[in-house]
Amino acid sequence: NAGVTQTPKFRVLKTGQSMTLLCAQDMNHEYMYWYRQDPGMGLRLIHYSVGEGTTAKGEVPDGYNVSRLKKQNFLLGLESAAPSQTSVYFCASSRFGADTQYFGPGTRLTVL
Amino acid sequence: AQKVTQAQTEISVVEKEDVTLDCVYETRDTTYYLFWYKQPPSGELVFLIRRNSFDEQNEISGRYSWNFQKSTSSFNFTITASQVVDSAVYFCALRGSNSGYALNFGKGTSLLVTP
Repeated sequence: NAGVTQTPKFRVLKTGQSMTLLCAQDMNHEYMYWYRQDPGMGLRLIHYSVGEGTTAKGEVPDGYNVSRLKKQNFLLGLESAAPSQTSVYFCASSRFGADTQYFGPGTRLTVL
Repeated sequence: AQKVTQAQTEISVVEKEDVTLDCVYETRDTTYYLFWYKQPPSGELVFLIRRNSFDEQNEISGRYSWNFQKSTSSFNFTITASQVVDSAVYFCALRGSNSGYALNFGKGTSLLVTP
């Protein structure tokens, strides 16, 4: 099992460009999450999904969109990147809500 | 509202010292879960422990131990005989029933263990 994987690992964007971050899990987990980590801020929830075809907003959703067309994949999109979106992005998944969340290795995104 | 406070931003100890990382939480949920994650310099998040709100027994795993006290809303983490490999950022997190059971993280404590 690869667990939770994230693509890409690093990316540099210019302001206004768009991109999609891919999270994939091979554990048949129902719940998936996107967090961002900024220095001194801990991790904050961007969006989450409680099952295939469902998504919901978290604490800091502005500027991001998500989709969960397949159970194993959770995509995070930035339509028009801004320097404030420079961060490390982590994806996580869990079997169900009350279970332990397992994290991917993270994607380091820089927006110039 | 759910909140996790890790008051210690940075801690520096010499190898073999014991160190305790503090975690205080706030929640209105009667059922909740508390977690500790380790983030080594390589950047990944490593799960250490999960504790539910109905289980106040302390837990020990090798050099790691956790003290959960509902009366003081604390879930502290102690490393005994610290080692250089323990150097990392440690996050305490709380999960209640909101936002799809997402985790609410503290801001983390950076632990540096020097030889």
